[in-house]
Amino acid sequence: EVQLVESGGGLVQPGRSLRLSCTASGFTFGDYAMSWVRQAPGKGLEWVGFIRSKAYGGTTEYAASVKGRFTISRDDSKSIAYLQMNSLKSEDTAVYYCTRVVSGSYSPDAFDIWGQGTMVTVSS
Amino acid sequence: QSALTQPASVSGSPGQSITISCTGTSSDVGGYNYVSWYQQHPGKAPKIMIYEVSNRPSGVSNRFSGSKSGNTASLTISGLQAEDEADYYCSSYTSSSTLVVFGGGTKLTVL
Repeated sequence: EVQLVESGGGLVQPGRSLRLSCTASGFTFGDYAMSWVRQAPGKGLEWVGFIRSKAYGGTTEYAASVKGRFTISRDDSKSIAYLQMNSLKSEDTAVYYCTRVVSGSYSPDAFDIWGQGTMVTVSS
Repeated sequence: QSALTQPASVSGSPGQSITISCTGTSSDVGGYNYVSWYQQHPGKAPKIMIYEVSNRPSGVSNRFSGSKSGNTASLTISGLQAEDEADYYCSSYTSSSTLVVFGGGTKLTVL
């Protein structure tokens, strides 16, 4: 079964850091770009960023709202994607979803597999 | 305010067809065939329904279809069923520095 499982969420104080993990199974992880999407409580979806597959250089792109604070990385040997979140703000409070980009393309065109999400609460 | 504009709510009776619109600009919806649609039931993760404007992933009912005209994309659901009641989000690739934009979501109520 194709599956993504996020972990690492929790309560964190403003200005602190948190790292989320996304463990993949059921597909060849290294062939796909991976992306993170978040959803604040009662709000809509917001794209956070993505990391290309090694075939496309493994490079990353980020939303303007998180650029410079968040970093996405991947370990293809373990089939895990990471989201390192630094200098967290209250407005980063959301459910964070790990997603698979639908094709092994250069651009994040669509997201065909979603994890169950992990809640991050930024509060003092 | 979301980058893509969707109606806040739509409704229909079982068996009817409904259409949800998603309006953007020439920098996103109108400029690329990278429009996708997601269904989200309360407390659940989103599920892809349509990608690249009109492609349906394996396992998605053929009652769901997508199209695009100019800067507006549309999701049509035919033969409405109770289980279709959910929130629907569109998204598009964009030429802006934030590569992906979502609509604000549309709540579909099956009467």
